[in-house]
Amino acid sequence: GQSLEQPSEVTAVEGAIVQINCTYQTSGFYGLSWYQQHDGGAPTFLSYNALDGLEETGRFSSFLSRSDSYGYLLLQELQMKDSASYFCAVLSASKIIFGSGTRLSIRP
Amino acid sequence: DAGVIQSPRHEVTEMGQEVTLRCKPISGHDYLFWYRQTMMRGLELLIYFNNNVPIDDSGMPEDRFSAKMPNASFSTLKIQPSEPRDSAVYFCASSPPGRVGVETQYFGPGTRLLVL
Repeated sequence: GQSLEQPSEVTAVEGAIVQINCTYQTSGFYGLSWYQQHDGGAPTFLSYNALDGLEETGRFSSFLSRSDSYGYLLLQELQMKDSASYFCAVLSASKIIFGSGTRLSIRP
Repeated sequence: DAGVIQSPRHEVTEMGQEVTLRCKPISGHDYLFWYRQTMMRGLELLIYFNNNVPIDDSGMPEDRFSAKMPNASFSTLKIQPSEPRDSAVYFCASSPPGRVGVETQYFGPGTRLLVL
């Protein structure tokens, strides 16, 4: 079957760095995306990796290793507004699958 | 651009009633997605269209659910008859040409459905 695994919760301190991991088991993998969702809001796109390596967009970076079926989202200089749920999602053989989400809590 | 528009934003109905959710994608986008989100099941893809044609409807729960996209600027998701377990937030999303799958999807605000 096809599945994505990501931690359900992560806690970090304001100003710190946090990494949210995502491992997947799929067939015909095309790419991995990350979405952010604040409570009561809609998911918003953060990043997409189709090839191995690191993609950087401001304070956020995303990494992919296709050989390890693994990716992560790195958030730097954490701000209180980064408190949200983060979802990884994959496209695999025309199937789109979202992970169950990681709830990031940030302490002052 | 107004973004993806969904209506209604909130819907409360009684079991057995028909529910129709509506979505207007961003102009120029040729992919349209319908999702359902609950605490128990997370975010689930129900169906997606490309150029108004359904590509994958394997996520549609059962025959009570149907989706149509009669033109590039409008789609509906219909539940008939509705059941309490259909209570969820339903999101519509669209993405531009050439962006296949999960890449750069723009989500609407969602419709919060409560079936009593």
